[in-house]
Amino acid sequence: DTGVSQDPRHKITKRGQNVTFRCDPISEHNRLYWYRQTLGQGPEFLTYFQNEAQLEKSRLLSDRFSAERPKGSFSTLEIQRTEQGDSAMYLCASSLGGLADLQDTQYFGPGTRLTVL
Amino acid sequence: QQPVQSPQAVILREGEDAVINCSSSKALYSVHWYRQKHGEAPVFLMILLKGGEQKGHDKISASFNEKKQQSSLYLTASQLSYSGTYFCGTDNFGNEKLTFGTGTRLTIIP
Repeated sequence: DTGVSQDPRHKITKRGQNVTFRCDPISEHNRLYWYRQTLGQGPEFLTYFQNEAQLEKSRLLSDRFSAERPKGSFSTLEIQRTEQGDSAMYLCASSLGGLADLQDTQYFGPGTRLTVL
Repeated sequence: QQPVQSPQAVILREGEDAVINCSSSKALYSVHWYRQKHGEAPVFLMILLKGGEQKGHDKISASFNEKKQQSSLYLTASQLSYSGTYFCGTDNFGNEKLTFGTGTRLTIIP
């Protein structure tokens, strides 16, 4: 069990550019979540998947954000036309999920820190 | 609406005990506790379900009061490694989407 991995760990980009992040969940975990965290705040929910199906997307998420989990394994989060306000840590988490029980434990990856100049 | 944590910050000497509280304005299905050190990912500590089931680390305990929509995390005989920011995450609907609290910064000094 190797844990949740994310790539890249750091990304610096210029305003207006597109960026894509990858998350590899713990193997056999059905649920995959994306959160965003800014300095001094708790993680903020963005979206989540049950296998390859995207079940919910935060209303706070603009149309510039899109996420996929094409084969129910890894996931990508893309931000188009980045803005300085997008600068944050983007966290991915996974869980066995599905039964709303103790298996719901979400395990977080190390995150991708995005800086938009 | 995010849950409210108290205190916002606390400083303890090694070996002292601490209680961190998490309060929600909505009915809770489950509460999840995490510790995060600066620049690192949140690390799972405890999960507590409506109905009483819970899972977590041996040296950490927590309670869940469904009627009061509150949870408390108990840290006993604190160690230097306990330093960090503690977050509670609440699931209001049983769909596992977590709303995280405002955080409690815990500093342990020798």
